[in-house]
Amino acid sequence: DAKTTQPNSMESNEEEPVHLPCNHSTISGTDYIHWYRQLPSQGPEYVIHGLTSNVNNRMASLAIAEDRKSSTLILHRATLRDAAVYYCILRAGGTSYGKLTFGQGTILTVHP
Amino acid sequence: GAGVSQSPSNKVTEKGKDVELRCDPISGHTALYWYRQSLGQGLEFLIYFQGNSAPDKSGLPSDRFSAERTGGSVSTLTIQRTQQEDSAVYLCASSHDRNVNYGYTFGSGTRLTVV
Repeated sequence: DAKTTQPNSMESNEEEPVHLPCNHSTISGTDYIHWYRQLPSQGPEYVIHGLTSNVNNRMASLAIAEDRKSSTLILHRATLRDAAVYYCILRAGGTSYGKLTFGQGTILTVHP
Repeated sequence: GAGVSQSPSNKVTEKGKDVELRCDPISGHTALYWYRQSLGQGLEFLIYFQGNSAPDKSGLPSDRFSAERTGGSVSTLTIQRTQQEDSAVYLCASSHDRNVNYGYTFGSGTRLTVV
């Protein structure tokens, strides 16, 4: 699996935007960029995914660099409930399938 | 049910005993995955079932670990002769099919403690 690199931790204040970066310089043309987050004492939950174009959903936005070697998960207004570990994962597209490989992720702390 | 259900939520067992962990995936999800997460660590892949295909067992740490999925639905992860290093949260996830556009839905996990 192609590797992703994320900062170990980030901090934010409540109601401010948060930009969580992810580097994936070895991404292949068919790899999708997936983001999951894991709240304390829970299993991970799907946040968003994309291939080339920026994506928005009710949880977050995903900005993908033009060369696809990096991406940024954007939480527009952080709340205390957004404190979690955020994982950036590459998943092969096309007809291949298989497991998601989780790295260490970014621990996001949100201050009141 | 609406989500992935795992049971038991907590299990304490003595070293050397066998344990079975159960996962009920979302109805209609053809893919099912087992992961484990040791305290303060990331998720470690264990095994993956996709429809009627042979499972991907590449993550099982030893032959004490096995899993089966009956009727393409419920899955059981069995750990034989448990060791203290098996203590972890065991997470199950399911997804709709092999299409990459479908995300995983995880259960809340089974916390296994081997004493």
